[in-house]
Amino acid sequence: GQNIDQPTEMTATEGAIVQINCTYQTSGFNGLFWYQQHAGEAPTFLSYNVLDGLEEKGRFSSFLSRSKGYSYLLLKELQMKDSASYLCAVMDSNYQLIWGAGTKLIIKP
Amino acid sequence: NAGVTQTPKFRVLKTGQSMTLLCAQDMNHEYMYWYRQDPGMGLRLIHYSVGEGTTAKGEVPDGYNVSRLKKQNFLLGLESAAPSQTSVYFCASSPRDPQETQYFGPGTRLLVL
Repeated sequence: GQNIDQPTEMTATEGAIVQINCTYQTSGFNGLFWYQQHAGEAPTFLSYNVLDGLEEKGRFSSFLSRSKGYSYLLLKELQMKDSASYLCAVMDSNYQLIWGAGTKLIIKP
Repeated sequence: NAGVTQTPKFRVLKTGQSMTLLCAQDMNHEYMYWYRQDPGMGLRLIHYSVGEGTTAKGEVPDGYNVSRLKKQNFLLGLESAAPSQTSVYFCASSPRDPQETQYFGPGTRLLVL
């Protein structure tokens, strides 16, 4: 079967750095997405990786290793507004997104 | 430019009742999707459409029907609601390439008693 694993919850301190991991086993691979979802709101796009390596976008970076079935989202200079759930999703061979359950990130002052 | 909108925002149904959820997008996107989101689980695809007049089943289609009569609208129907359909429903759309970003609506919270 297809499976996306990510930690259920993480806690970090304002101003610090946090890394959220995602491992996947899917039938085929056509890219990996990270989305942010604040409580009670819709998911919003953060990043897309299809090739191995690091993609940097401001305070957020995303890394992919296709051979290891592994990705991480790195958040730097954490702000209170970064408190949200972070969703990892993989596009499979049928071009459908398989979603992880999300990682709830709690930022403490 | 409203993006993706959903109506209603919240609804309570009794078991066996029917209802239709409406999704509209003003971005001229080809692809549209209906997901459900339940606690402790990832988003699950119910049905999707790759263009006006087309629909296809996703991961959890049972108990739902959809229609895409106009490019900008994607309707999700529940013919006979069950408590297991209590969930938050999200509509999303994306441009022609399925690897493009999906843009989500604000969600519809449905409670089936």
